[in-house]
Amino acid sequence: EDQVTQSPEALRLQEGESSSLNCSYTVSGLRGLFWYRQDPGKGPEFLFTLYSAGEEKEKERLKATLTKKESFLHITAPKPEDSATYLCAVQARGGSYIPTFGRGTSLIVHP
Amino acid sequence: EPEVTQTPSHQVTQMGQEVILRCVPISNHLYFYWYRQILGQKVEFLVSFYNNEISEKSEIFDDQFSVERPDGSNFTLKIRSTKLEDSAMYFCASSERLPETDTQYFGPGTRLTVL
Repeated sequence: EDQVTQSPEALRLQEGESSSLNCSYTVSGLRGLFWYRQDPGKGPEFLFTLYSAGEEKEKERLKATLTKKESFLHITAPKPEDSATYLCAVQARGGSYIPTFGRGTSLIVHP
Repeated sequence: EPEVTQTPSHQVTQMGQEVILRCVPISNHLYFYWYRQILGQKVEFLVSFYNNEISEKSEIFDDQFSVERPDGSNFTLKIRSTKLEDSAMYFCASSERLPETDTQYFGPGTRLTVL
């Protein structure tokens, strides 16, 4: 069974304090790994898709990286507006395109 | 920027009543999905839809649920007889399903409260 585990469950940072969120996965073969941002009471907002080990993508203060077993979402010099839950989802090779979601990491950035 | 829209944003209903949740996917997307998220829990897949038929469904998507694309723009989820445990956020998503992967774009959600 495909599994996605995100850590930590919750993270509190001071503004400007860089850190990383982890998404570890077990799938028979990776088709794609997705990062989403979710604000309270809102839908997941797409951030990145990663396809293969070694790939990196950046957007403003966020950088996502991928290895064969895990992905990291690095947040550099975060601001309070980066506070949200960050979701990781994994799509396995094979017949289904349906991604499996992790439980997310709740990030709070204090000013 | 194109986006998925959903109505209503919040629906309150009595147990046993029927509800219809509506979605307008991104216009050039051909694949549509419904997910739900119970408060504090993971996003869970319900059903995917392509070419006017269901392509995949989860065990959650039982006979109480149905989906329809009544016209060229709307995509609906109907729950025939709501239960207390159907209370959740329901998200619609759409995608282009490129050959190498399938990035899904989500709507803002409908909060369903069953009393």
